[in-house]
Amino acid sequence: DAKTTQPNSMESNEEEPVHLPCNHSTISGTDYIHWYRQLPSQGPEYVIHGLTSNVNNRMASLAIAEDRKSSTLILHRATLRDAAVYYCILREYNQGGKLIFGQGTELSVKP
Amino acid sequence: EPEVTQTPSHQVTQMGQEVILRCVPISNHLYFYWYRQILGQKVEFLVSFYNNEISEKSEIFDDQFSVERPDGSNFTLKIRSTKLEDSAMYFCASSRGPTGGTYGNQPQHFGDGTRLSIL
Repeated sequence: DAKTTQPNSMESNEEEPVHLPCNHSTISGTDYIHWYRQLPSQGPEYVIHGLTSNVNNRMASLAIAEDRKSSTLILHRATLRDAAVYYCILREYNQGGKLIFGQGTELSVKP
Repeated sequence: EPEVTQTPSHQVTQMGQEVILRCVPISNHLYFYWYRQILGQKVEFLVSFYNNEISEKSEIFDDQFSVERPDGSNFTLKIRSTKLEDSAMYFCASSRGPTGGTYGNQPQHFGDGTRLSIL
């Protein structure tokens, strides 16, 4: 299974941007990069995904390095509600449907 | 926005008893999944289900586990004879399935889980 590496934890101040990094040096050309988050006492929540180009949606932006060996999830203005564990997951072409979760990055947001 | 719903939110069961966890996936989704998360640990894949068949299962999903889609809306996980180590959060998820031959482009949508406590 393709591996991702994320910092265990990060801190942010409310209303400031947050950049959550993910390294995936063994990514293959057909792997999509997905981000999910898990708020306390809730199920994982889809955030965003991309293949090669940067992506934006109402929740976040995803910046993908040109060589695709790393990516960054950007929360433009962190709120207290964004405090969660963020997971960077590679969806492999022939892996089947399952998601393989790592430990993720625990983001805390200070008021 | 459509969502995955799971019932009950908390289930307490005696060891050795059977338990059924219920899920209503998003209505136009075709692929269904169960995951579990033991307290303080990673989310782990259990099983995927498509076209009334198991597509894939993990080593955790042994003969004590079964899944069923008894009607057009519900998706259930049954544990036949529960053990203490089955205590965990169980999450159901659904997705539209692969597009263009890959699962890569399809997100999964999760419910808020059932907390299963085995006494």
